[in-house]
Amino acid sequence: DAGITQSPRHKVTETGTPVTLRCHQTENHRYMYWYRQDPGHGLRLIHYSYGVKDTDKGEVSDGYSVSRSKTEDFLLTLESATSSQTSVYFCAISESTLTYSPLHFGNGTRLTVT
Amino acid sequence: QKEVEQDPGPLSVPEGAIVSLNCTYSNSAFQYFMWYRQYSRKGPELLMYTYSSGNKEDGRFTAQVDKSSKYISLFIRDSQPSDSATYLCAMSKTGGFKTIFGAGTRLFVKA
Repeated sequence: DAGITQSPRHKVTETGTPVTLRCHQTENHRYMYWYRQDPGHGLRLIHYSYGVKDTDKGEVSDGYSVSRSKTEDFLLTLESATSSQTSVYFCAISESTLTYSPLHFGNGTRLTVT
Repeated sequence: QKEVEQDPGPLSVPEGAIVSLNCTYSNSAFQYFMWYRQYSRKGPELLMYTYSSGNKEDGRFTAQVDKSSKYISLFIRDSQPSDSATYLCAMSKTGGFKTIFGAGTRLFVKA
């Protein structure tokens, strides 16, 4: 594994509650990403970060916010969880965008919103 | 229409068979083409990548890219039960930034 830890690994929460997922890396990579994975849709980019305090939206960012206060940590927050946000969430990291730099993934957080 | 289309399967083959996995895409700006393998309850791991068109071989795995047809393939020779996993194709305009993934094909190799 590429030194990526996601926490928690599993979470069940109720509709309307806030939820924060954490991604921690030990690789000192500049770029970090949050994806969600759903049957029939594959992996879809939620938000990404290109440095401390530098973040931007992906294709499915509505209802999500992110923060990156340190190189190693990237947080994903669901401000008010909905059932449509039940999914498996993956954090990924990459080193550079100037040359080919593959994504390395954590093992995911399985979130259920009841 | 999705930018990347991939048949979700499942695909079931006997051990030793040659497996062919495919994806089509619509964006001609894609330059990097990747295949990821994902075991159950795990994150995807990079299997192979190809830049632009052509073939690339790594052991039992061969990746092909046909940019004129917007079609990529992954071939697995002498398939093994340990190859049972979901295979995701992925593409990017740059080196990995904003990678777009297919839905994944679930493969079962029976002993």
